Amino acid sequence: AQSVAQPEDQVNVAEGNPLTVKCTYSVSGNPYLFWYVQYPNRGLQFLLKYITGDNLVKGSYGFEAEFNKSQTSFHLKKPSALVSDSALYFCAVRERSSASKIIFGSGTRLSIRP
Amino acid sequence: GAGVSQSPSNKVTEKGKDVELRCDPISGHTALYWYRQSLGQGLEFLIYFQGNSAPDKSGLPSDRFSAERTGGSVSTLTIQRTQQEDSAVYLCASRQTGVKNIQYFGAGTRLSVL
Repeated sequence: AQSVAQPEDQVNVAEGNPLTVKCTYSVSGNPYLFWYVQYPNRGLQFLLKYITGDNLVKGSYGFEAEFNKSQTSFHLKKPSALVSDSALYFCAVRERSSASKIIFGSGTRLSIRP
Repeated sequence: GAGVSQSPSNKVTEKGKDVELRCDPISGHTALYWYRQSLGQGLEFLIYFQGNSAPDKSGLPSDRFSAERTGGSVSTLTIQRTQQEDSAVYLCASRQTGVKNIQYFGAGTRLSVL
């Protein structure tokens, strides 16, 4: 069965510094991988996805993520954090089957201090 | 509609009552998902509908939970004999057929069981 782990409940970063939000996964075969962001009292918004091809994926708001097959990881990164990036971030995985569901991690709360 | 619509946005009920939560997916989206998000927590997969296939109910926490999707569009999540631990935000998402297509989330229904 597929699963996703986000080992950090919270990540604190100073504005202007680089940020990393970690995600590892377990799935049969090659995965589809996603990052979503949730702002207070809002639904989830899509940030980026890995389907195939280049392991470095660029997404919305300057975020990027790198698919590492050997480490089964898909860490979210941004070179320079903004206070407005403060939110709850979710990693998700889906098996390469048309009938498979999408499973989310437990979420990481990102806090950017001015 | 323009996005995934969920109703009601908030629901307060008494322990032991039944509740129905509604999800209107984006028109043309064949896949529909229900998730549960407890306060500040991750997304717990509940159920997944894909076209006319039998739904994946593997995430439903008990037989008090059920869901239907009529005509391949609107879905209703029903919780019978609600318990206080059912209090959470229930999120619905829809997705168009195709491996590259992402989920779009509604704003959720906040359920409070007193």
